[in-house]
Amino acid sequence: GQQLNQSPQSMFIQEGEDVSMNCTSSSIFNTWLWYKQDPGEGPVLLIALYKAGELTSNGRLTAQFGITRKDSFLNISASIPSDVGIYFCAGRFNTNAGKSTFGDGTTLTVKP
Amino acid sequence: DAGITQSPRHKVTETGTPVTLRCHQTENHRYMYWYRQDPGHGLRLIHYSYGVKDTDKGEVSDGYSVSRSKTEDFLLTLESATSSQTSVYFCAISSAGSGDEQYFGPGTRLTVT
Repeated sequence: GQQLNQSPQSMFIQEGEDVSMNCTSSSIFNTWLWYKQDPGEGPVLLIALYKAGELTSNGRLTAQFGITRKDSFLNISASIPSDVGIYFCAGRFNTNAGKSTFGDGTTLTVKP
Repeated sequence: DAGITQSPRHKVTETGTPVTLRCHQTENHRYMYWYRQDPGHGLRLIHYSYGVKDTDKGEVSDGYSVSRSKTEDFLLTLESATSSQTSVYFCAISSAGSGDEQYFGPGTRLTVT
């Protein structure tokens, strides 16, 4: 099946710093998704990307759908303590009932 | 927040016993999914449903079965629980499958001793 490589695995940053993480795939996807998971809760969708080259923002978050359709990037600007959590990328083909393949996650720690 | 509940939220069971987890939605969404999440890993799809009585396997379906007799309920059954099935299980829903995004429930933490 499809494999997603998400990096980095973990990040320890100072409050106010910018964060970048990415996801690469051995296969192309039609949709890229980014989720955040807080401890003890289910993942929450942050950004959805539907077109190659698309750049989408949600507040301090910006994500891009790679032009090759095999990668995606998430940036967080001016991090704050509540950004702490696990960030997951997911890729999806639009013809398979919405099934998504998830990366292993990036654990973000923000030091005040 | 999407109306998704999972029950139980926590369960400890012994190897070899059957276990059923329930996902209930109040959104009338067509698609429902069961994932498992293990430490250091993302979510892996176990089974999904695209309508009442319509289900299909995901990437890690061995040892699991599902049923969907009503739109709002999707049950996941471990026929004979094993220690390798200790995990956190998440249910998700979406209205249109492709082209519409999944919303996740709060999860069920299952421990098999």
